[in-house]
Amino acid sequence: EVQLVESGGGLVQPGGSLRLSCAASGFTFSSYAMSWVRQAPGKGLEWVSAFSGSGDSTYYADSVKGRFTISKDNSKNTLYLQMNSLRAEDTAVYYCAKVKGGYSYGNDYFDYWGQGTLVTVSS
Amino acid sequence: SYELTQPPSVSVPPGQTASITCSGDKLGDKYAYWYQQKPGQSPVLVIYQDSKRPSGIPERFSGSNSGNTATLTISGTQAMDEADYYCQAWDSSSVVFGGGTKLTVL
Repeated sequence: EVQLVESGGGLVQPGGSLRLSCAASGFTFSSYAMSWVRQAPGKGLEWVSAFSGSGDSTYYADSVKGRFTISKDNSKNTLYLQMNSLRAEDTAVYYCAKVKGGYSYGNDYFDYWGQGTLVTVSS
Repeated sequence: SYELTQPPSVSVPPGQTASITCSGDKLGDKYAYWYQQKPGQSPVLVIYQDSKRPSGIPERFSGSNSGNTATLTISGTQAMDEADYYCQAWDSSSVVFGGGTKLTVL
């Protein structure tokens, strides 16, 4: 059974940093792309970042480019999101999502999601 | 940047057919995906590559995609189908979601 468990969320001041983790199990973690998707309170889904299955490419939404860094530790079956220079508009539940394949543009999709971790950016 | 537009809300009586649309420029040239999200829960994939159903998704869920519009159709809608539905497509190497549609079964 595929399981994705996020952690690391919390309250942080504007301009601060936070690192999210996603512990994966139930599948061969190294073979698949992984992604982060967020949802602001009462709002819709927003794709944030992805790490390719081949391990040689990372992708970011324009809204977080230059501030967030995605990484993947296949030895620990864990996906990370380092978030720096946080803003109030980054407040959201952050979901870790498994990609069906290696991140094939146009053909891939999110087949499993974690339960999410809440990040609140406020003074 | 690429945008997907969904109606904010759709209402349907129990047992009837619900149709939720998702519009985007030449969306029919791409694959469309649909996710269901119930209150307090994580999203669940209900349709992939326009019209395919993942294992465990009831047959009453179907999808189509042509021109500028993708459509999620729920036949014989049940109370348990009340949820937010999001369409998704690709814009080059980025993933794009629609704004979501709240389906009310009344």
